Amino acid sequence: AQSVTQLGSHVSVSEGALVLLRCNYSSSVPPYLFWYVQYPNQGLQLLLKYTTGATLVKGINGFEAEFKKSETSFHLTKPSAHMSDAAEYFCAVNNNDMRFGAGTRLTVKP
Amino acid sequence: SQTIHQWPATLVQPVGSPLSLECTVEGTSNPNLYWYRQAAGRGLQLLFYSVGIGQISSEVPQNLSASRPQDRQFILSSKKLLLSDSGFYLCAWSGGWVAGQETQYFGPGTRLLVL
Repeated sequence: AQSVTQLGSHVSVSEGALVLLRCNYSSSVPPYLFWYVQYPNQGLQLLLKYTTGATLVKGINGFEAEFKKSETSFHLTKPSAHMSDAAEYFCAVNNNDMRFGAGTRLTVKP
Repeated sequence: SQTIHQWPATLVQPVGSPLSLECTVEGTSNPNLYWYRQAAGRGLQLLFYSVGIGQISSEVPQNLSASRPQDRQFILSSKKLLLSDSGFYLCAWSGGWVAGQETQYFGPGTRLLVL
């Protein structure tokens, strides 16, 4: 069975600092991997996804993620945090069955 | 382009009352449809999914039920709400199980408070 682990339920960074949100997965076959963002009282919005091909995936709002098969990881990064990045972020894996991580709440300090 | 609607946006209901939440999708046909719940401070819990009209799969046994009376309509119901039913309910759709169609797209959600 596939699963997703997001390390750190809360991450706090200063505005302009690097954002790193960690995601590790387990899957018996190469999975499809996703990052979603959720702003307060809103639905989930797709940030980026990896299916096949290039392992570095660029998404919206300046985010990117790298699929590392050897580490079974799909960490989300952004070089410089903005106040508007404050939200909940969910990693997900899909292999005929979408599974979400528990989420990481990102706080951005001025 | 495809859009997904949910209503109502917010709902306050007494314990023991019935529930009906509606989700509709526009701009696509024969989508897979999903109901998720988010309890306060917790992740997403898949409640039901549907691959076609009248076809419902339940992930978690509880006092909720789902129906799909039309291709692009998905309804979440309860006959008697419990306090533990409070949460944020999200509907999502995807193109199906075929590769390239697996991405799920979410609606704006319904905030349910049971008192």
